[in-house]
Amino acid sequence: GAGVSQSPRYKVAKRGQDVALRCDPISGHVSLFWYQQALGQGPEFLTYFQNEAQLDKSGLPSDRFFAERPEGSVSTLKIQRTQQEDSAVYLCASSRTLVAGGNTIYFGEGSWLTVV
Amino acid sequence: DAKTTQPTSMDCAEGRAANLPCNHSTISGNEYVYWYRQIHSQGPQYIIHGLKNNETNEMASLIITEDRKSSTLILPHATLRDTAVYYCIVRVKGSSNTGKLIFGQGTTLQVKP
Repeated sequence: GAGVSQSPRYKVAKRGQDVALRCDPISGHVSLFWYQQALGQGPEFLTYFQNEAQLDKSGLPSDRFFAERPEGSVSTLKIQRTQQEDSAVYLCASSRTLVAGGNTIYFGEGSWLTVV
Repeated sequence: DAKTTQPTSMDCAEGRAANLPCNHSTISGNEYVYWYRQIHSQGPQYIIHGLKNNETNEMASLIITEDRKSSTLILPHATLRDTAVYYCIVRVKGSSNTGKLIFGQGTTLQVKP
């Protein structure tokens, strides 16, 4: 079906505001990743889900960042009390299988967050 | 985690082959080499991946040295639309078999007319 879909595409938030970013992975994909990409930098890993289980959240920068995938499909990345340093593109990616190695990870177009 | 080293930038003439090198001297035996590219304002696009053998698809070829410490991505006939940042990534399993991709800074390829 369609690729990884993310919304909103662009979001401007006032400092201190909470934001929620949505990711619709490719249908049937088990694995889901969130990445953060600051301007001029490569994407940095935030967290990983295998179905509904969050197995790796080692990249979340602070406890203001929270991600969930309650039914093993759609995922939401929530940022509480946004700060200016949170301004970045947030990328979601998914892959079909569980096992690391030779399967392809597909990325969405990203949600561009600007905190003012 | 295995790290990769790539040149910061490269130029290529339109219609010529673009050869993008990558060093990954600490790669483990079961770790794959992946290549992605990112055109401005878009998400990373998968190009190709390999373990030991050379690989080819409709987009590119991947040449991996016998000792697996380096690889080269080849775009056989570069076009202006191939101008992008190219990331060479060693995919690591991680503590939970995540298989997450660890991006570096990549190589900015500029294809010139």
